[in-house]
Amino acid sequence: QKEVEQNSGPLSVPEGAIASLNCTYSDRGSQSFFWYRQYSGKSPELIMSIYSNGDKEDGRFTAQLNKASQYVSLLIRDSQPSDSATYLCAVNFYNQGGKLIFGQGTELSVKP
Amino acid sequence: GAVVSQHPSRVICKSGTSVKIECRSLDFQATTMFWYRQFPKQSLMLMATSNEGSKATYEQGVEKDKFLINHASLTLSTLTVTSAHPEDSSFYICSARPKEVGGYTFGSGTRLTVV
Repeated sequence: QKEVEQNSGPLSVPEGAIASLNCTYSDRGSQSFFWYRQYSGKSPELIMSIYSNGDKEDGRFTAQLNKASQYVSLLIRDSQPSDSATYLCAVNFYNQGGKLIFGQGTELSVKP
Repeated sequence: GAVVSQHPSRVICKSGTSVKIECRSLDFQATTMFWYRQFPKQSLMLMATSNEGSKATYEQGVEKDKFLINHASLTLSTLTVTSAHPEDSSFYICSARPKEVGGYTFGSGTRLTVV
């Protein structure tokens, strides 16, 4: 089992729709979870961080965390073409010296 | 705030030569720096964890004699790719976790091409 797993996509949604991105992780001791957006050829940029079970909202983005199911998701409401990018789920493996481990990324395409 | 400056952004080198990549924390102290490598269409793979004043910790399968990491100060970590070969061509990115930021800050990355 991969440490952090995402559907690689590509995920295609029409403009204005909700994009749903999912991620599972293997380390039950993990405490910190992050969603990054990466455009081609660029470094990742942080979108959301979440540490507690439940939902966390920031503008059009909502992160959801369920530690019992070892599951974290990202919802993007009112998707825009500029949201087209690869979205990376990252988990802080606390018991491994704080390493940040990435999933393989989900490519999102928002069609006008 | 909490900026990680990475240089160079792009480098082309001949096979067999060495290349040094620098990452500096500009407005915070980075006791730990993480080095990642990313091949096209793939995710970031952690190569090693760099600790100020001590030896780096390498991930399984990463050759420590080939990828030399030095973290001599609280603001500077370097990765040297020694005897580079075309298969080392990749996007190398460093990262730190400033206390002031709720996540990890990344450098802008270095595109290495070995010809």
